[in-house]
Amino acid sequence: RKEVEQDPGPFNVPEGATVAFNCTYSNSASQSFFWYRQDCRKEPKLLMSVYSSGNEDGRFTAQLNRASQYISLLIRDSKLSDSATYLCVVNMNRDDKIIFGKGTRLHILP
Amino acid sequence: NAGVTQTPKFRVLKTGQSMTLLCAQDMNHEYMYWYRQDPGMGLRLIHYSVGEGTTAKGEVPDGYNVSRLKKQNFLLGLESAAPSQTSVYFCASSSVADDLHTYEQYFGPGTRLTVT
Repeated sequence: RKEVEQDPGPFNVPEGATVAFNCTYSNSASQSFFWYRQDCRKEPKLLMSVYSSGNEDGRFTAQLNRASQYISLLIRDSKLSDSATYLCVVNMNRDDKIIFGKGTRLHILP
Repeated sequence: NAGVTQTPKFRVLKTGQSMTLLCAQDMNHEYMYWYRQDPGMGLRLIHYSVGEGTTAKGEVPDGYNVSRLKKQNFLLGLESAAPSQTSVYFCASSSVADDLHTYEQYFGPGTRLTVT
């Protein structure tokens, strides 16, 4: 099993729809979890951290399921500007163990 | 507050040439990282540093060297460039809590390097 695994997509979703991604991780000792967004030919930028209790930021909701070792990202009322690649990041809080997933590509269709 | 900056933004090298990529951060972060990103491969850690004067190898360190003489700067060197080092290079930095919990990483805009 890969350390961090994401469906590469692309997800083609009509504007206004709800879309969800999952990301699985293999190491149960993982401590911190993040979702990053990366636009084409740009650097990754933090979208949100993922907390055990789940957290919400506007249209975005992140969940962590430690028992099944996955994190999820839900985007409601999707906008054209949400088109990007979403990277899952798992951090074991050992400095050499920050693992990036390969990303899920999202295309929001007008 | 510029965050994380990288120079140069673009570079074309011939096989065997050398160059240094510069990363600078003004957030007083302890940790700094160099990644490369290739299509279908995701971000891969080359080297990292947990503080001034310290460096360590990441996942793909071969062919690269680094130095962190000042806390705000992290240099990535290619001694003898090879076509396989054609990639986009990202620098990142993060702060760290007392229990060594690292917070989110902030990335520079990247350097696009082509080795012919």
